[in-house]
Amino acid sequence: KAGVTQTPRYLIKTRGQQVTLSCSPISGHRSVSWYQQTPGQGLQFLFEYFSETQRNKGNFPGRFSGRQFSNSRSEMNVSTLELGDSALYLCASSLDRLSSYNSPLHFGNGTRLTVT
Amino acid sequence: GQQVMQIPQYQHVQEGEDFTTYCNSSTTLSNIQWYKQRPGGHPVFLIQLVKSGEVKKQKRLTFQFGEAKKNSSLHITATQTTDVGTYFCGSNSGNTPLVFGKGTRLSVIA
Repeated sequence: KAGVTQTPRYLIKTRGQQVTLSCSPISGHRSVSWYQQTPGQGLQFLFEYFSETQRNKGNFPGRFSGRQFSNSRSEMNVSTLELGDSALYLCASSLDRLSSYNSPLHFGNGTRLTVT
Repeated sequence: GQQVMQIPQYQHVQEGEDFTTYCNSSTTLSNIQWYKQRPGGHPVFLIQLVKSGEVKKQKRLTFQFGEAKKNSSLHITATQTTDVGTYFCGSNSGNTPLVFGKGTRLSVIA
C-alpha cells in the first residue's frame, strides 16, 4: 500500500507570496492532519480534516487554511508568507479515531518551505 | 486539549548505554502515542498505550504508561547507532487532535 504522498518536497518562496501544499493520504484513510515542524517548536498542529470537514484547527493565524476533497486528498494554503513560516510541513493520515483508542498517524515526507 | 511535556530535550549517550525519555502531563491522559523521527525523515509511529500502568516492549524498547495516566516513558536498552533520532510522545482525547511534546533528540556516540 502506498504511503502518504506530499508534493512538492521543497519550495522556496518570497515574503508576501502565497503557497499551496498537497497531500494524498493512504488509500482508505479518511482523516488528514497537518503539522508544522520547526527546530524550536517541535510539531505544531495546524488542522485536521475528515470527510471534507475541518474537525479541528490549531492556533495559527487566518493566513493558514486548508481543505479536503471527496477523495480524501488535502491541500493547505498559506497566504502572505512571512519569514517565520519557513518550516517543514507534514501531512499525516489515519483511519478515523474511535473513543480512547485512536488510530496512529502515518506521516508523509513533508514539504520543506523556505521563505526569503 | 491534552498538553504533554517531554524531557530531556537532548541526550547524548555512548553506544551500549541505556536511554530514557519522559513524557509528563498535569492532566489525566486518554492515551499516549510514541513516534520516532530519524534525521531528515518523518515521524514514524512506534506504539500506543491506553491502560493505566501498561507496559509494552518492542525488542530493546520498553514503553510504560503511569498508574495515574499522567506520565509515560520510553526506555531503550543498550543503544545502537540505529536508535539515533528524535522521539516524540503525543496524546489526544475524543475528537481532539494529537498534540505532541517537543521531543527528545538522541545522539549515539559509537
